Amino acid sequence: QQPVQSPQAVILREGEDAVINCSSSKALYSVHWYRQKHGEAPVFLMILLKGGEQKGHEKISASFNEKKQQSSLYLTASQLSYSGTYFCGTASGSARQLTFGSGTQLTVLP
Amino acid sequence: DTAVSQTPKYLVTQMGNDKSIKCEQNLGHDTMYWYKQDSKKFLKIMFSYNNKELIINETVPNRFSPKSPDKAHLNLHINSLELGDSAVYFCASSNTGVGPNEQFFGPGTRLTVL
Repeated sequence: QQPVQSPQAVILREGEDAVINCSSSKALYSVHWYRQKHGEAPVFLMILLKGGEQKGHEKISASFNEKKQQSSLYLTASQLSYSGTYFCGTASGSARQLTFGSGTQLTVLP
Repeated sequence: DTAVSQTPKYLVTQMGNDKSIKCEQNLGHDTMYWYKQDSKKFLKIMFSYNNKELIINETVPNRFSPKSPDKAHLNLHINSLELGDSAVYFCASSNTGVGPNEQFFGPGTRLTVL
């Protein structure tokens, strides 16, 4: 079953923060985050495994709440280059198959 | 240097035709995937091959047939193309080592069926 992402779209000014949420009705083994710019392929950002860990990548970090089967992606002090569509992909068990959410379109304005 | 490559990048064809999309990865990964991304940007898994063996086959019309001649290649053949097949098709690869691993996507093939 497809995870639910929210919000569907968000518009920010440079330097502002954003949070993108991903929730699933199934017990999750891992959550993957990808960013896709217009006309390009999705690019991997990070993976979170069950255990509630938090990861960071420069000003982009994410958390995974195993009890709630939710993950959140945090973008701080957003830059113009952060614009794109963010997808979460979830895997149940140790299966390699990812089921992607419908995406969150992030637009950062100068 | 390209990690995951696909050909062609664009494919425009008439309804009823048969076409193929090729994918190659030079990352040494053992698992490859085909995804379909429709006009609403929804990314849906179609197939997955691990060491040339089919491991995921989602509900896809049997007009779609993947073929993996070796670990580095996964091709997609589509028979009797329909209007609804128009989409961007992405190939991806990953390694099935310990724990889940990130997937690397190819640049995509935009298929337009007229």
